[in-house]
Amino acid sequence: ELQLVESGGGLVQPGGSLRLSCAASGFSFSTYCMTWVRQAPGKGLEWVANIQQDGSDKYYVDSVKGRFTISRDNAKNSLYLQMNSLRAEDTAVYYCARDGAVRGVMIHYYMDVWGKGTTVTVSS
Amino acid sequence: DIQMTQSPSSLSASVGDRVTITCRASQRISTYINWFQQKPGKGPKLLIYAASSLQSGVPSRFSGSGSGTDFTLTISSLQPEDFATYYCQQSYSIPRTFGQGTKVEIK
Repeated sequence: ELQLVESGGGLVQPGGSLRLSCAASGFSFSTYCMTWVRQAPGKGLEWVANIQQDGSDKYYVDSVKGRFTISRDNAKNSLYLQMNSLRAEDTAVYYCARDGAVRGVMIHYYMDVWGKGTTVTVSS
Repeated sequence: DIQMTQSPSSLSASVGDRVTITCRASQRISTYINWFQQKPGKGPKLLIYAASSLQSGVPSRFSGSGSGTDFTLTISSLQPEDFATYYCQQSYSIPRTFGQGTKVEIK
């Protein structure tokens, strides 16, 4: 069964740090790009960061650049999100997702497997 | 960044209705658009990728169309399990932005 399980969320003070993990199973983790998406309470979805299969290329939304770092350990089938200098506006449910792909003129990427999410609350 | 604008933000419909949700991109994105369904307290579920390709296991009453800047998600005959929030997302460029969502409610 394809599965992604996030962990590591919790309550943290503004300016603090947190490391999220995502454990993958049921597929060949090392052959897929992976993505973090977040959802603030009562709000829509926001794409946060993406990492290529071998970890060589990483991409971020502007609001987290310089504060968040995405990484992966293919030997452990795990994805991570290191979050530093946290702000109240980072409060959200954080989902990890697998990037499926199909070739067109460019590659069509689509998030086809999602975890249930882990909740991060930034508050004093 | 590419902005994705969905309309309407919410709608009320009855079981059996045909429902159409639109998404407009702020620049041309060819067919690099995906559609997701999200139910309360759950993670999103992929419905359509590359504008019109139905994800495996998704009922055929869901369909997608469009190219360039204007796209639609259609539910041909709304079922009770389809009441949820729907999001479009562009995969043309980083950051891969989402629309603000369309909540489909029971009339």
